[in-house]
Amino acid sequence: AQTVTQSQPEMSVQEAETVTLSCTYDTSESDYYLFWYKQPPSRQMILVIRQEAYKQQNATENRFSVNFQKAAKSFSLKISDSQLGDAAMYFCAYRSAYNNNDMRFGAGTRLTV
Amino acid sequence: ETGVTQSPTHLIKTRGQQVTLRCSSQSGHNTVSWYQQALGQGPQFIFQYYREEENGRGNFPPRFSGLQFPNYSSELNVNALELDDSALYLCASSSPTSGRGNEQFFGPGTRLTVL
Repeated sequence: AQTVTQSQPEMSVQEAETVTLSCTYDTSESDYYLFWYKQPPSRQMILVIRQEAYKQQNATENRFSVNFQKAAKSFSLKISDSQLGDAAMYFCAYRSAYNNNDMRFGAGTRLTV
Repeated sequence: ETGVTQSPTHLIKTRGQQVTLRCSSQSGHNTVSWYQQALGQGPQFIFQYYREEENGRGNFPPRFSGLQFPNYSSELNVNALELDDSALYLCASSSPTSGRGNEQFFGPGTRLTVL
């Protein structure tokens, strides 16, 4: 079964600085999607960025970018120019391309700015 | 375009009772997934409904059941509540046309407390 591991329960960053959140996953599948979700105190999950496993190029969304290492099964999130509004829980998630009804989440990283 | 909504926001029940949580999907979305998020943990997949039929289920007992209606809104029912059912219940909607990867849009959740 696929599992997602976030080894950093908490991280902190100064405003305008850069922080990297780590995520590793375990799968035997070759085609899948990886996501980073943000959950602020309002509780609503917001998609931050998405990566398709068949794409070698790392995804970028404004200040957010990922480092996707397929062989190492690693998917880290880099937040540049951190802002107060970035403070939240961040969850890494995996979904198979063959079974799109089951998304697996990590335990989350609490980011303080 | 209306986003995903859930009701109620908060709910308190006692052990052994039954509860129904409701979710309205985003306009145009025909797929609804339900997740349980225990305190301090990531969401866990309960089940998914697609066009009124269950389309996959996670590792949850049968006392967790659901429905999807013709307008694609959905209900999550939990019977014989246990203390460990206390959690945030999240609903997410998606559509096969929302791009490769079928991005899921989440509601704000229902916080269930079982005493």
